[in-house]
Amino acid sequence: AQSVTQLDSHVSVSEGTPVLLRCNYSSSYSPSLFWYVQHPNKGLQLLLKYTSAATLVKGINGFEAEFKKSETSFHLTKPSAHMSDAAEYFCVVTAGRGDTGRRALTFGSGTRLQVQP
Amino acid sequence: DTGVSQNPRHKITKRGQNVTFRCDPISEHNRLYWYRQTLGQGPEFLTYFQNEAQLEKSRLLSDRFSAERPKGSFSTLEIQRTEQGDSAMYLCASSPTRQGVGTEAFFGQGTRLTVV
Repeated sequence: AQSVTQLDSHVSVSEGTPVLLRCNYSSSYSPSLFWYVQHPNKGLQLLLKYTSAATLVKGINGFEAEFKKSETSFHLTKPSAHMSDAAEYFCVVTAGRGDTGRRALTFGSGTRLQVQP
Repeated sequence: DTGVSQNPRHKITKRGQNVTFRCDPISEHNRLYWYRQTLGQGPEFLTYFQNEAQLEKSRLLSDRFSAERPKGSFSTLEIQRTEQGDSAMYLCASSPTRQGVGTEAFFGQGTRLTVV
């Protein structure tokens, strides 16, 4: 079984300052991890994924995340927030590597990111 | 637009009525998933198809729920005798099959169901 805990339900930052969205996971098997973003009235979009290669993963729009097995964490960061980053962010885990499409995704409860001008 | 398409976008129904939602995946994707998202929560897995075969169903998928993908293309999700607790966003996603690598799921915009 696997689960995800997103440690903050809301995060507010000023435009131009760093973003940190925290995620801890648990999984019976070596996990694959993803971050998805959900803008209002739009479908969930994949930001980045970790499936077994480099532990520091770079995604779209300047986001990156680091897989830390010892801490069971997969925190999402961005050096400088932009107004367009305001959205709901979901950390996602699925058990195992390889063909993750055969397994259900387990989503966290989400973190709403606000970006103040 | 060649993304995942869901219809209708919104559905309001009276308790006890049946509803059906449709999902058209990205054309070359042979995998299709249904998720349910309630307010303030992340999506929860409901079921998964590989082509026309339904390979996995969640415990959340009670006997009032049924999903089909008859020709391995579009899929329908039917809820019979709707209850107020069924009010949620129903999300469809699709993905291709690639050997040995993690495959991402592409999500549609969802169908928002309100049961009154």
